[in-house]
Amino acid sequence: AQSVSQHNHHVILSEAASLELGCNYSYGGTVNLFWYVQYPGQHLQLLLKYFSGDPLVKGIKGFEAEFIKSKFSFNLRKPSVQWSDTAEYFCAVTAYYGGSQGNLIFGKGTKLSVKP
Amino acid sequence: EAGVTQSPTHLIKTRGQQATLRCSPISGHTSVYWYQQALGLGLQFLLWYDEGEERNRGNFPPRFSGRQFPNYSSELNVNALELEDSALYLCACSLVKAVRDEQFFGPGTRLTVL
Repeated sequence: AQSVSQHNHHVILSEAASLELGCNYSYGGTVNLFWYVQYPGQHLQLLLKYFSGDPLVKGIKGFEAEFIKSKFSFNLRKPSVQWSDTAEYFCAVTAYYGGSQGNLIFGKGTKLSVKP
Repeated sequence: EAGVTQSPTHLIKTRGQQATLRCSPISGHTSVYWYQQALGLGLQFLLWYDEGEERNRGNFPPRFSGRQFPNYSSELNVNALELEDSALYLCACSLVKAVRDEQFFGPGTRLTVL
């Protein structure tokens, strides 16, 4: 069965520190990869997505992620975090069903707390 | 363009009752997905509807069911509520005919079972 694992449950950083959140998935076929963010009291928003092409993907708010197929990884990075990045981050994968994309499979999420 | 809407925002039920949650997708989006976000369990896939048919369901008991209407809105029904059903229920939509597309999420319905 497909699965997604996120390495860290809770990460605490000071402002201006660099961020890397790990994500690994298990699925040998074609996948679409996503990072979603849930700010306190808000609904899930898409940070970035990878479908194909350049494995380095840039998203909103200065976030980027690198797809490494050989490692089944899709790690999220940001060079310098801000207090406003405090949120929960979810890595997700979707597989194809009969040529159409299916439901998302999420990791358990990583809570990021940024200290001002 | 209006986003995904869900109703009600909050729902309080007692054990054994039934709950009905509703979702309206973005105009033109034919696929609707339901996810459960329970404390400590992350986001788990519940159900996927497209063009009025159930396309896939997650590892949940049959008392979780739903349907999709001709206007692509959807309803999630939870029968015989149990305490552990307390969670945030999220609805998402996508253009399934687009092979590569993201899912857009609604604000969720917070279900509390007492």
